[in-house]
Formats: sequence, C-alpha cells, structure tokens
Amino acid sequence: KQEVTQIPAALSVPEGENLVLNCSFTDSAIYNLQWFRQDPGKGLTSLLLIQSSQREQTSGRLNASLDKSSGRSTLYIAASQPGDSATYLCAVIVMAGGTSYGKLTFGQGTILTVHP
Amino acid sequence: SAVISQKPSRDICQRGTSLTIQCQVDSQVTMMFWYRQQPGQSLTLIATANQGSEATYESGFVIDKFPISRPNLTFSTLTVSNMSPEDSSIYLCSVETGLNTGELFFGEGSRLTVL
Repeated sequence: KQEVTQIPAALSVPEGENLVLNCSFTDSAIYNLQWFRQDPGKGLTSLLLIQSSQREQTSGRLNASLDKSSGRSTLYIAASQPGDSATYLCAVIVMAGGTSYGKLTFGQGTILTVHP
Repeated sequence: SAVISQKPSRDICQRGTSLTIQCQVDSQVTMMFWYRQQPGQSLTLIATANQGSEATYESGFVIDKFPISRPNLTFSTLTVSNMSPEDSSIYLCSVETGLNTGELFFGEGSRLTVL
C-alpha cells in the first residue's frame, strides 16, 4: 500500500527566506507526482506535475524534484512571500492498464506560514 | 487545465437528510472523481464517476451512502445520503483532462457541516 509522508508538518519562516518542503513515498512504482497548494477552506491548486521520467519541474519561484529510486520529492520555494502561506500537499498517482486510474495518494501536508 | 465549478460551496445540514453536490466542468473531460477531506485530514478518493455507467467506489465507500451520477462528459453529482455529523467534510470534484499526463485538477470544494 502506497504511503506518502510530508516533513515538516508545519513551517514558519520570515519573508524572503528560501525553503524546502519534503515528500517521501513508499512504493517507487508511480506514474507521476503532483504538488498542490490549498488555502484554508478552499480547493486544491495544482502547482507542479513531475512525470516519472522527469527529475524536476520549475514554475516561477517554485522548483520540484523527484528521485523515484529513493522515493523522495522536494518542493523548493525561493524568496518566500506572505502570500505563499498555505498548506502544501504532495500526491502520487498510479496508472493502470495504460490509462490514468486517477487515484492520488496524498500526504498530510505541510502548513507554511510566511510572516512579514 | 480546466475550470471546475461546484455547488453548493458550503451548507449546513440536519442529521438524517441528504444533499446533492454538483460539479460542472467547462470542457469535456475523460475522467471525473470525487474526493473527501475530513477536518484536519488529507484527501481520500471516494469514487470514479463513469459516464453512462455506475461509479467505481473505493474501499470503505458504498453506493447507497454516496450515489453518484455522470450523465455526460462535463457534469457529475455526488449525493451524501442520510447524513450524520461524521459526514462533515469538504467534498471535492476532480478531473483529468485526457492529455495522458495523469495531472488532476480540483474544484473549490463543497464544505458540509452536519448538525
């Protein structure tokens, strides 16, 4: 059974800091890994998708890496801002029969607070 | 990506009643899913909404409790039946747009509180 763990559970940093959020998964047979952001009481916003054949993806101040062999992914946020405050969720997906099964296994999330 | 609209965004319900949540997508999508997020927890997949046939439920979820419809490629409903306080959660609709990347997009969620 796939299990996804995120460390730390919560993180509080001053504005401007670079930070790293960690995600680990137990079964390396994943199709891809997706990072999401969730604001309180809201839905999920997709930040980055890394397919299993890729090692990293970048979008603006965000960079996500994937090491399938070790079962790890990191989300790097450069020059953090108060607007980055949210819960960050890591999720992995399994494919079945050549089509997406759509069953994301989520970590518990990292609650990020960036204070001015 | 896809624009996903859910209704209602939130509701307060009485024990024993049922509520239907609607999910509308702005384009045809191959796959639609329903997730639940209980307070303080991460997301759990309830079921895959299959167009024109019965939904596929995950372990621990049954059709009598969570009936799902998907009449076409842009719309689905999830009903939470005979609600109890334990059903208080955020229910989220998710779609895969069919580009074969496996990337999922989520709606804003429907926050249900059962008294």
